[in-house]
Amino acid sequence: DAGVIQSPRHEVTEMGQEVTLRCKPISGHDYLFWYRQTMMRGLELLIYFNNNVPIDDSGMPEDRFSAKMPNASFSTLKIQPSEPRDSAVYFCASSLVRGLEAGELFFGEGSRLTVL
Amino acid sequence: GESVGLHLPTLSVQEGDNSIINCAYSNSASDYFIWYKQESGKGPQFIIDIRSNMDKRQGQRVTVLLNKTVKHLSLQIAATQPGDSAVYFCALPWGQKLVFGQGTRLTINP
Repeated sequence: DAGVIQSPRHEVTEMGQEVTLRCKPISGHDYLFWYRQTMMRGLELLIYFNNNVPIDDSGMPEDRFSAKMPNASFSTLKIQPSEPRDSAVYFCASSLVRGLEAGELFFGEGSRLTVL
Repeated sequence: GESVGLHLPTLSVQEGDNSIINCAYSNSASDYFIWYKQESGKGPQFIIDIRSNMDKRQGQRVTVLLNKTVKHLSLQIAATQPGDSAVYFCALPWGQKLVFGQGTRLTINP
């Protein structure tokens, strides 16, 4: 079975540019999570969806960040405009049941973003 | 907010020895704890979990111990192998989020 698929794996862009990160969750999983990982702050939950509906976006740092899930097999995380402090590894994870209850989130391999 | 901390940011062990990775938490009401492993260049991967009605749970070469009195849990890896090199995170639910600790990097000496 394919796991969670993220693209791109690496992105280098200049400050002010728009960045779109993509995620395909595991088929049948009804929860999708976006995390950001940095050395300073560790793994932070940005937003999560249940059945394509955003449930909690309180972790989204500011209005420059937006996430969508138009269908059960695709989600995007967009940063516009990007800033150097957005440089991080962004992970998408999916879960068959609510991740908090199951404890088992399935993570993708991440998208490493560098904003110059 | 919830605080999930680790006693040591790095741990170096000899191949074949046992490894013990520790984690402290602050919310005494926490009742569910999870350990994740993150290999270089990959996403975190679930290892084992434990609920607060248990003190110990064993998996394949891994054991998690929970001490609710002092709000501490540990992950023990038996006969550490090179493939165990990774960052290990403890995690627990906090409100509607899964909060991860900062992680301990485990390195294996040949």
